[in-house]
Amino acid sequence: AQSVTQPDIHITVSEGASLELRCNYSYGATPYLFWYVQSPGQGLQLLLKYFSGDTLVQGIKGFEAEFKRSQSSFNLRKPSVHWSDAAEYFCAVGGRQGGKLIFGQGTELSVKP
Amino acid sequence: NAGVTQTPKFQVLKTGQSMTLQCAQDMNHEYMSWYRQDPGMGLRLIHYSVGAGITDQGEVPNGYNVSRSTTEDFPLRLLSAAPSQTSVYFCASSLTISQNEQFFGPGTRLTVL
Repeated sequence: AQSVTQPDIHITVSEGASLELRCNYSYGATPYLFWYVQSPGQGLQLLLKYFSGDTLVQGIKGFEAEFKRSQSSFNLRKPSVHWSDAAEYFCAVGGRQGGKLIFGQGTELSVKP
Repeated sequence: NAGVTQTPKFQVLKTGQSMTLQCAQDMNHEYMSWYRQDPGMGLRLIHYSVGAGITDQGEVPNGYNVSRSTTEDFPLRLLSAAPSQTSVYFCASSLTISQNEQFFGPGTRLTVL
């Protein structure tokens, strides 16, 4: 079955600390991979995506993610978190034939001053 | 471009009432979809459309109807609202079905009493 797992429901980090949000997927083939961010009361905004090529992808707001095929993972990282990064983060996978996205449950990020 | 727009932003219904959530996009996207977001469950696909006149069911279609008479609009109808349909609803679109980068609207928060 196709699924996305984000093991951490809630993470708290101090401002300026590094961040890693985990994402594992189960999919029949290599999927397209995405990270979205949702600020309170807002819609989802695309942070970054992996389609093919370099397995380390750069996104907006200083985020990056690394695709590891052997681990079926696509973890999101940021070297230094800002208070404005507090939000909910969703990992998603989609088939290369297109269409539906499958979302993880989300990880809520809190940032301590 | 306005992107993806949704109306209303908030709605309260009584059990058994019907209503239509509106979604429109001005990017000439072929693919449009509706998701519902519930705490701890991420986003789940309700219905989607790959073009005008073509719709299909997603993961959780029961209790919802859709139609796609134009490229721009993709309304979601609740035929007889139930408390289990209390949720936040997001509309999304992408250029084509094989282009998985989806753009999301701001959401509609629906409460069914």
